[in-house]
Amino acid sequence: GENVEQHPSTLSVQEGDSAVIKCTYSDSASNYFPWYKQELGKRPQLIIDIRSNVGEKKDQRIAVTLNKTAKHFSLHITETQPEDSAVYFCAASADDKIIFGKGTRLHILP
Amino acid sequence: IAGITQAPTSQILAAGRRMTLRCTQDMRHNAMYWYRQDLGLGLRLIHYSNTAGTTGKGEVPDGYSVSRANTDDFPLTLASAVPSQTSVYFCASSLSAAYAGELFFGEGSRLTVL
Repeated sequence: GENVEQHPSTLSVQEGDSAVIKCTYSDSASNYFPWYKQELGKRPQLIIDIRSNVGEKKDQRIAVTLNKTAKHFSLHITETQPEDSAVYFCAASADDKIIFGKGTRLHILP
Repeated sequence: IAGITQAPTSQILAAGRRMTLRCTQDMRHNAMYWYRQDLGLGLRLIHYSNTAGTTGKGEVPDGYSVSRANTDDFPLTLASAVPSQTSVYFCASSLSAAYAGELFFGEGSRLTVL
């Protein structure tokens, strides 16, 4: 079955700097790669997603890149702000299942 | 009801007891999922259902069962709870499993097994 690895587990960046979170997946049949943000005590919410026929997608300060050959995808957050502090999860979808990475706790330092 | 609703929000349970976590959605989504969230382990898929009448096993199905009698409801049952099942449980739904898309999560059910 699908296995998703996510790095780093914790990331601290200065406010205004960029943050990058990386994920790899194992199942070459995976074709949908979402990213979720979970604030403390709340439910996960989708922030951006990408499908396997696209290499990059951007939405304001966040962007996702996908390398199908290497089976890895990354989340990029530019001009980080205090409200970006949260846990971020990547995921991959194959065979009707959506499998998540273990998460990255992002701290935005003042 | 608006969106996806879970019950109970929180529960303390003695080991060996039977427990059912309820999940209801009013979005007419075909696919529904149960995940458990543990610190450092992320969200792990327990069971899923592509459509009413069908269910499938996820990454960690042992000790859990589900049913999908209709589109709206997807209960998760622990037949005989054990302490390792202490976790936060999230139910989620999406429009279609065949064309993967956004998961809508419930607020979660915090379960403690003593």
